[in-house]
Amino acid sequence: QKEVEQDPGPLSVPEGAIVSLNCTYSNSAFQYFMWYRQYSRKGPELLMYTYSSGNKEDGRFTAQVDKSSKYISLFIRDSQPSDSATYLCASVTGGGNKLTFGTGTQLKVEL
Amino acid sequence: GAVVSQHPSWVICKSGTSVKIECRSLDFQATTMFWYRQFPKQSLMLMATSNEGSKATYEQGVEKDKFLINHASLTLSTLTVTSAHPEDSSFYICSAVVLDTDTQYFGPGTRLTVL
Repeated sequence: QKEVEQDPGPLSVPEGAIVSLNCTYSNSAFQYFMWYRQYSRKGPELLMYTYSSGNKEDGRFTAQVDKSSKYISLFIRDSQPSDSATYLCASVTGGGNKLTFGTGTQLKVEL
Repeated sequence: GAVVSQHPSWVICKSGTSVKIECRSLDFQATTMFWYRQFPKQSLMLMATSNEGSKATYEQGVEKDKFLINHASLTLSTLTVTSAHPEDSSFYICSAVVLDTDTQYFGPGTRLTVL
């Protein structure tokens, strides 16, 4: 079993839809959780960074962490074609340790 | 802020030659940098952890004599692919951890093609 599981998709939604991206993790030592967006042939871009259970909002993006069920989510409101990318969840135990990535979910927002 | 650059962005080389890739944190210091490789439509695969002033820590299955890593300063790490072969062709990405935090920022990647 991978430490971070993520549905690879692809996920296709119409413009304006609410997108829900999800990951589960198994390592109880994970303390920090991130979501990265990666466009084709580019490096990952940090979208959200959270360290406690609950919601964190930034513009159209909301990151949600439920440590009791080891579940992390990213919600995208009013999705745009420019949101089409691969979204990677990642977790880390802390102290500058290496990230553990999910496999990434490929999202396509269609006009 | 928090910009990481990589140079070159792409490189084509002949089999048997060595290629050096630079990773720089432009506006912050990073004691720890990571090197990844990524194959098409796959997630990032961690190759090694680079700590400033010490030897890199390689992941299992990664040849340290083939992928030489040097982290000479708080803003620069280099990855040298020695005696490159076509199977080394990949997208190499570095990341840097902001000093005293756990936030990691990624470079734009370097596409290596070995002929």
